[in-house]
Amino acid sequence: EVQLVESGGGVVQPGGSLRLSCAASGFTFDDYAMHWVRQAPGKGLEWVSLISGDGGSTYYADSVKGRFTISRDNSKNSLYLQMNSLRTEDTALYYCAKARATCMDVWGQGTTVTVSS
Amino acid sequence: SYVLTQPPSVSVAPGQTARITCGGNNIGSKSVHWYQQKPGQAPVLVVYDDSDRPSGIPERFSGSNSGNTATLTISRVEAGDEADYYCQVWDSSSDHLVVFGGGTKLTVL
Repeated sequence: EVQLVESGGGVVQPGGSLRLSCAASGFTFDDYAMHWVRQAPGKGLEWVSLISGDGGSTYYADSVKGRFTISRDNSKNSLYLQMNSLRTEDTALYYCAKARATCMDVWGQGTTVTVSS
Repeated sequence: SYVLTQPPSVSVAPGQTARITCGGNNIGSKSVHWYQQKPGQAPVLVVYDDSDRPSGIPERFSGSNSGNTATLTISRVEAGDEADYYCQVWDSSSDHLVVFGGGTKLTVL
């Protein structure tokens, strides 16, 4: 069974940092690009970042560029999102999702990030 | 960056057909994907590449895309179809590669 499990969320003060993780299983991890997508409370889906299967290419939404870093460890079947200089508007449920060409065919259940003083 | 426009809400009676639109400039030239999100759950891909269905998605879910509008059609709507639906495209013309519509709340009356 293909599965994605996020972890690492929590409460952090503005300006702080968090590192999210996503553990993948049930598929050949390094064959697929991976996304992070977030959803603020009561709001819609917002794409955050994408990384290629080999980790050599990364892409970011303008709202997080320069503050967030996506990475992966294919030996551990894991995806990461390092979030620095966090702002209150980064408060959201963060999902990792497996890329299938230009869509996302498998999603995790998400991990919650709350940025508050 | 590319903008996708969805109606905030659509209502339909059980057994009827629901149509959820997704508008974008010349969206017919792009591949459109649709996700269903029920309360408290992660999104689920229900239609990809305009009109294809992943395994396990009922045939009642179908999609079309032409001109400036893509449409998700749900036939013989059931109470369990009540959810938020999001369209999504890949915009290779900008750094913002992935674009989601604002979402449509489908209410089954």
